[in-house]
Amino acid sequence: QVHLQESGPGLVKPSETLSLTCTVSGDSIRGYFWSWIRQPAGKGLEWVGHIYFDGSTTYSPSLKSRATLSVDTSQNQFSLNLRSVTAADTAVYYCTRAAVGATYLDYWGLGSPVTVTS
Amino acid sequence: QSALTQPASVSGSPGQSITISCTGSTSDIGYWNYVSWYQQHPGKAPKLIIYDVSRRPSGVSNRFSGSKSGNTASLTISGLQAEDEADYYCSSSTGSSSLVFGSGTKVTVL
Repeated sequence: QVHLQESGPGLVKPSETLSLTCTVSGDSIRGYFWSWIRQPAGKGLEWVGHIYFDGSTTYSPSLKSRATLSVDTSQNQFSLNLRSVTAADTAVYYCTRAAVGATYLDYWGLGSPVTVTS
Repeated sequence: QSALTQPASVSGSPGQSITISCTGSTSDIGYWNYVSWYQQHPGKAPKLIIYDVSRRPSGVSNRFSGSKSGNTASLTISGLQAEDEADYYCSSSTGSSSLVFGSGTKVTVL
């Protein structure tokens, strides 16, 4: 069984960088796409972007200018950096595994709540 | 890319069948057979229940079924049960190797 666990600060100051890491256990990170999804309180899901194990990335057009995804195959981890955050970036952030072709998300982490506040 | 359109809420009595629609465009649902559906209970992470329009992951009840016609996908829940009360989200691949989600539908079991 594949398990994903998000980790990172729960509080981030406005204009700073939000950094989250997802640790994958139960399977290798190789051979798959890995995605970040976020959900503001009481609102819907938003796709942030995904990264292939070889490091190639695709981002949501609305976040492309601020988001960077990276992968560390030696640690079986992948990460999200989101620069210049504002209150609008306050959300629960989920890391997920995307099926081959990144067409659907079959495993999800429990979610990491992040609040942007001064 | 705009979010896919879903009804805000759908309700039904136990044992009934309900259908949730998900409307997109020729750039997403209308072009790609990569529609997926997710169930989310309050305070929990979403769970995949349908992928590739109509396929069910192992362990998902066969009361859940998916279909697509033109730019609209649908999720049908038959034999509605109390445990089906949750939020449901559709998702589709887009032409730019990206994903877009629906606005979400709250299902209430009366």
